[in-house]
Amino acid sequence: GEDVEQSLFLSVREGDSSVINCTYTDSSSTYLYWYKQEPGAGLQLLTYIFSNMDMKQDQRLTVLLNKKDKHLSLRIADTQTGDSAIYFCAHGAGNNRKLIWGLGTSLAVNP
Amino acid sequence: DADVTQTPRNRITKTGKRIMLECSQTKGHDRMYWYRQDPGLGLQLIYYSFDVKDINKGEISDGYSVSRQAQAKFSLSLESAIPNQTALYFCATSDPRTSGGTQYFGPGTRLLVL
Repeated sequence: GEDVEQSLFLSVREGDSSVINCTYTDSSSTYLYWYKQEPGAGLQLLTYIFSNMDMKQDQRLTVLLNKKDKHLSLRIADTQTGDSAIYFCAHGAGNNRKLIWGLGTSLAVNP
Repeated sequence: DADVTQTPRNRITKTGKRIMLECSQTKGHDRMYWYRQDPGLGLQLIYYSFDVKDINKGEISDGYSVSRQAQAKFSLSLESAIPNQTALYFCATSDPRTSGGTQYFGPGTRLLVL
């Protein structure tokens, strides 16, 4: 199977940490991605992680990968109102790298 | 991403009309994609092209056709538009040799079929 699952909504308070979770079924995935879509805009790559890594950190963003459980998470530290957006998880495998997408998690940041 | 442009940005058309959405990129990528986005359905792949001579159907290609005029240009056509093709359409590009094959998206075209 190639499903990617995400919870649809997450609401946090400004300044708190946000954790967005994603599960996938394809064990051959080699690259996993997080994209951000702000209202009325296209998708912007936030970060990606190779399947042989457990963690990747980039400023306020921390990606954790549990390959055994096929679970990917994105943690946003000190969440700001500008982080309000839809966050998509995606994975790709093989040479064709056709990405399989989750439905997106809508993050609402409350002041 | 300004390296991937789409025209038009918004379009209203009537049922039965033929329309074309265009995508251009300056990233030098061989691979290009067309997606549609509907609320609650995420991204669905319509067509993808790995080079000028290689075009493949995606998950939902019925009612659509594409043309890869050059490495930098990939257009999507709706031969006879119908209301359930109302959606947000995205073009994307990638290079599997760089950045983990990351796909770079255009700003989208919002299409309304009346």
